[in-house]
Amino acid sequence: DAGITQSPRHKVTETGTPVTLRCHQTENHRYMYWYRQDPGHGLRLIHYSYGVKDTDKGEVSDGYSVSRSKTEDFLLTLESATSSQTSVYFCAISARLAGKSSYEQYFGPGTRLTVT
Amino acid sequence: DQQVKQNSPSLSVQEGRISILNCDYTNSMFDYFLWYKKYPAEGPTFLISISSIKDKNEDGRFTVFLNKSAKHLSLHIVPSQPGDSAVYFCAASANSGGSNYKLTFGKGTLLTVNP
Repeated sequence: DAGITQSPRHKVTETGTPVTLRCHQTENHRYMYWYRQDPGHGLRLIHYSYGVKDTDKGEVSDGYSVSRSKTEDFLLTLESATSSQTSVYFCAISARLAGKSSYEQYFGPGTRLTVT
Repeated sequence: DQQVKQNSPSLSVQEGRISILNCDYTNSMFDYFLWYKKYPAEGPTFLISISSIKDKNEDGRFTVFLNKSAKHLSLHIVPSQPGDSAVYFCAASANSGGSNYKLTFGKGTLLTVNP
């Protein structure tokens, strides 16, 4: 258990409204990621963070912004939601478990967002 | 351009038999590969990984094989159990399993294990 929670778990919003999704981790992991999952696309990286206030764009960053003011929280904001942003959003952290030589990414439970 | 390809959207096997899930990649810079399992309404769960310096990695019923020359990897599940029914994602990165790496995912294969 990598101690990742996401909120809200489900949200329905209207086109044009701002939306913020929250990812919270309890174990001080430095690296955090936001992905979206869509049918026929697998998971695609939106943004990632390598420390407080240090973020960078992923593969599908248009229309999204992120912020990380504390190690434990990574926020994903849709400034003006569109129907194409209807998706399931997953947060992930990078961690190396005890006894392992490499890092793996561990995912939160996801947020299902519907934009009407 | 899809850099990680899982060409079989679905696979159905009998309980107790072997499940083989395949994945191909095109980016020669990829040097670390992972498999994730995903149940409905849950986040992906890390299953097993392999570095490009190896050609095989085992963990219990799960074995991943890597053929670098063919840019191909496969996940073998032996024996398959009904609880293995899930979507399996292949993922790749170009950072050798270091602390920070971006994953590129395939589209997933839905495995159904029939009792």
